[in-house]
Amino acid sequence: QKEVEQDPGPLSVPEGAIVSLNCTYSNSAFQYFMWYRQYSRKGPELLMYTYSSGNKEDGRFTAQVDKSSKYISLFIRDSQPSDSATYLCASASSGSARQLTFGSGTQLTVLP
Amino acid sequence: NAGVTQTPKFQVLKTGQSMTLQCAQDMNHEYMSWYRQDPGMGLRLIHYSVGAGITDQGEVPNGYNVSRSTTEDFPLRLLSAAPSQTSVYFCASSQGFLRFFGPGTRLTVT
Repeated sequence: QKEVEQDPGPLSVPEGAIVSLNCTYSNSAFQYFMWYRQYSRKGPELLMYTYSSGNKEDGRFTAQVDKSSKYISLFIRDSQPSDSATYLCASASSGSARQLTFGSGTQLTVLP
Repeated sequence: NAGVTQTPKFQVLKTGQSMTLQCAQDMNHEYMSWYRQDPGMGLRLIHYSVGAGITDQGEVPNGYNVSRSTTEDFPLRLLSAAPSQTSVYFCASSQGFLRFFGPGTRLTVT
């Protein structure tokens, strides 16, 4: 079993929809949680990160971590065609914060 | 501030050939790493370095070598290319747990 599991999709939604992207993890030591966005044929770029449990909001994006269920979520409000990309979740423990474990990515398409 | 740069962008090799993928960063980060990305497999760590002169293996190190003579540069060497090394390779530099990725090198081994 991989330490971070992510539904690969693909996920297709109409413009303006609320998108929910999810990951589960198995390592209880994970404290840092990140979301990367990767456009086609580009490198991943850091979108958001959180530490421990709770929510973090940045514009149309909200990252949520539920440590009791080991669940990581990214919500995108008012989705735009420019949000079409692959979204990767990643986690790390505080003991080895540099050793990231990535999910396999969810491919999202927002249709105009 | 260019961030993380990688060359070449594309490369085609024949089985058995060797080559070096270049990576450089201008953010003065100590930690650098190399990943390969394959469909359905996500990002897998090949090698990493915590500073000049210090390197270590990641999840999939076989067939690859690295060295780190300066803070800025972290080249990845393919010793004898195999079709299984066909992939997209990303170099990353890190500040704590935050990774900054380069644009990638798309490698095909025939």
